[in-house]
Amino acid sequence: QQQVKQSPQSLIVQKGGISIINCAYENTAFDYFPWYQQFPGKGPALLIAIRPDVSEKKEGRFTISFNKSAKQFSLHIMDSQPGDSATYFCAVKGRLSDKLIFGTGTRLQVFP
Amino acid sequence: NAGVTQTPKFQVLKTGQSMTLQCAQDMNHNSMYWYRQDPGMGLRLIYYSASEGTTDKGEVPNGYNVSRLNKREFSLRLESAAPSQTSVYFCASRQSGTGSIGTEAFFGQGTRLTVV
Repeated sequence: QQQVKQSPQSLIVQKGGISIINCAYENTAFDYFPWYQQFPGKGPALLIAIRPDVSEKKEGRFTISFNKSAKQFSLHIMDSQPGDSATYFCAVKGRLSDKLIFGTGTRLQVFP
Repeated sequence: NAGVTQTPKFQVLKTGQSMTLQCAQDMNHNSMYWYRQDPGMGLRLIYYSASEGTTDKGEVPNGYNVSRLNKREFSLRLESAAPSQTSVYFCASRQSGTGSIGTEAFFGQGTRLTVV
């Protein structure tokens, strides 16, 4: 069962543009919504995360928008840079467990 | 501070062979995880362990077994490898428990496994 649906699968953005990646989850049994960034040959690393009691969180050029009623959250990368080219994963953590489920990933390419 | 260490980094198995992937963390984390990463499928949870002595199934547990040997180590075993288990395997750990809802998961560098 696909508990987290992520889109798009791939994204091409010009330098300076805005990258937007979306995730939707299927039930309300989650209490933590992180985004991870992965470079080729490396393990994923935490980029930014949000809890469901806030609707937006910003850290530098990265913003998470959270819509609890729609069961959706998105990652916005402002002023995208070639160094942002990587694969991005959204994830959800179970409210009553430590289960951490990831989306299918989005490969972002930022061209100069 | 090594973080999460996985061994081996690369492995080629023949169909039907068995092997154990090792994972160790030095951050005193309670929870540990095993994922597999396949193109277009993202990271899929195989098993996880919320604490020493406990393990739970994830999204794709069939064909795998795990052992939480102690707080530091969490191993993944393939009893009879199949070509469908060709993948990159990642181990992760995070602090869990009261007050630890939003703690970061730290990943190892991965094990690239090919089953022929």
